[in-house]
Amino acid sequence: NAGVTQTPKFQVLKTGQSMTLQCAQDMNHEYMSWYRQDPGMGLRLIHYSVGAGITDQGEVPNGYNVSRSTTEDFPLRLLSAAPSQTSVYFCASSYFRSPLHFGNGTRLTVT
Amino acid sequence: SQQGEEDPQALSIQEGENATMNCSYKTSINNLQWYRQNSGRGLVHLILIRSNEREKHSGRLRVTLDTSKKSSSLLITASRAADTASYFCATDPSGANSKLTFGKGITLSVRP
Repeated sequence: NAGVTQTPKFQVLKTGQSMTLQCAQDMNHEYMSWYRQDPGMGLRLIHYSVGAGITDQGEVPNGYNVSRSTTEDFPLRLLSAAPSQTSVYFCASSYFRSPLHFGNGTRLTVT
Repeated sequence: SQQGEEDPQALSIQEGENATMNCSYKTSINNLQWYRQNSGRGLVHLILIRSNEREKHSGRLRVTLDTSKKSSSLLITASRAADTASYFCATDPSGANSKLTFGKGITLSVRP
């Protein structure tokens, strides 16, 4: 009963490096999304997908790319990391019109 | 932009007491949801209330929604130390659940 799995749990990057945060779910959910959580800011939506091949931007999409080639996976790519992208990143999934299931997060530090 | 604003920002109570947390929002919604986050973990859904509902119960949780005041409250009765967590309200404007907007959260500490 894995649910939503995020890897890695922790990551340190240097400014300008790129990386991919992985997210996989085994519940056959149509909807997947990425949020970032910063102190005092709550969660902000980065990108979301309502099904394989369909993605859309959220509130704070700049500096991030996503793709959804399968129902199970929704990777988040940082193109050129910046210190402002230091945050905790959460992936979530759900059936349409149902509450979100969250992973346990990836803590990213950009130096 | 933050749609939901929780109040208070932090709450400390004794085990057995009730905890009341409030959330205000700015624009019209289809539903409002409450989530809990334990330290170092992801959020867990607690309860959803639709815009045409005024009150909903789930175990020790009671949620109210006043759309005229654009506010909601979450009541946890007979609190336990295990209820110590951060609590977030999230608003859904369309009902599709695809663009939830979360508040900044309330930190609840329940003292044994």
